[in-house]
Amino acid sequence: NAGVTQTPKFRILKIGQSMTLQCAQDMNHNYMYWYRQDPGMGLKLIYYSVGAGITDKGEVPNGYNVSRSTTEDFPLRLELAAPSQTSVYFCASSYGAGRGYDEQFFGPGTRLTVL
Amino acid sequence: KNQVEQSPQSLIILEGKNCTLQCNYTVSPFSNLRWYKQDTGRGPVSLTIMTFSENTKSNGRYTATLDADTKQSSLHITASQLSDSASYICVVSAATSGTYKYIFGTGTRLKVLA
Repeated sequence: NAGVTQTPKFRILKIGQSMTLQCAQDMNHNYMYWYRQDPGMGLKLIYYSVGAGITDKGEVPNGYNVSRSTTEDFPLRLELAAPSQTSVYFCASSYGAGRGYDEQFFGPGTRLTVL
Repeated sequence: KNQVEQSPQSLIILEGKNCTLQCNYTVSPFSNLRWYKQDTGRGPVSLTIMTFSENTKSNGRYTATLDADTKQSSLHITASQLSDSASYICVVSAATSGTYKYIFGTGTRLKVLA
């Protein structure tokens, strides 16, 4: 099992550009999440999905969009990149919410810089 | 406001020594608390999970404690190794309106020196 994979690992964007961060998992997990990790801060939830076709906003959704057409994939779209979106982005998955007990498995992260 | 605070922010110890990391939380209603290890350049990996009724849980050289009354948890690392150098993140799960929210601490960055 590859677990949770993310591409690209690094990316530099210019202000106003758009891009898609890819995330895939091969554990047949229902739940998938996108987080951002800023220096010295805890992870913040951007969007999450409880299954194919179902997505919902997290704490910091502005400037991002997601889709979940399959169980395996959960891409994160940045439209009109801004310097405030410079961060490390982590994708995670879990089998369910399990009343919060289900372990989240994280990908290796994508380091994004917007200049 | 749901918050998770960790201390110290960073810690340097010599190989073979023990250390204890702290996590204080103000999260309600509490569901569980999990400790993650995050190696540089990688995603967090779960070390252990603590539920309301558990006081102590061990995973090899890692021992987590939970005091639900004072809302404090600690992660004790015994006989540290160079590979323990990482950030350790405390995550508290809260039950809100039928869904579950994960509140992440800012982490403690541990450096183990030879």
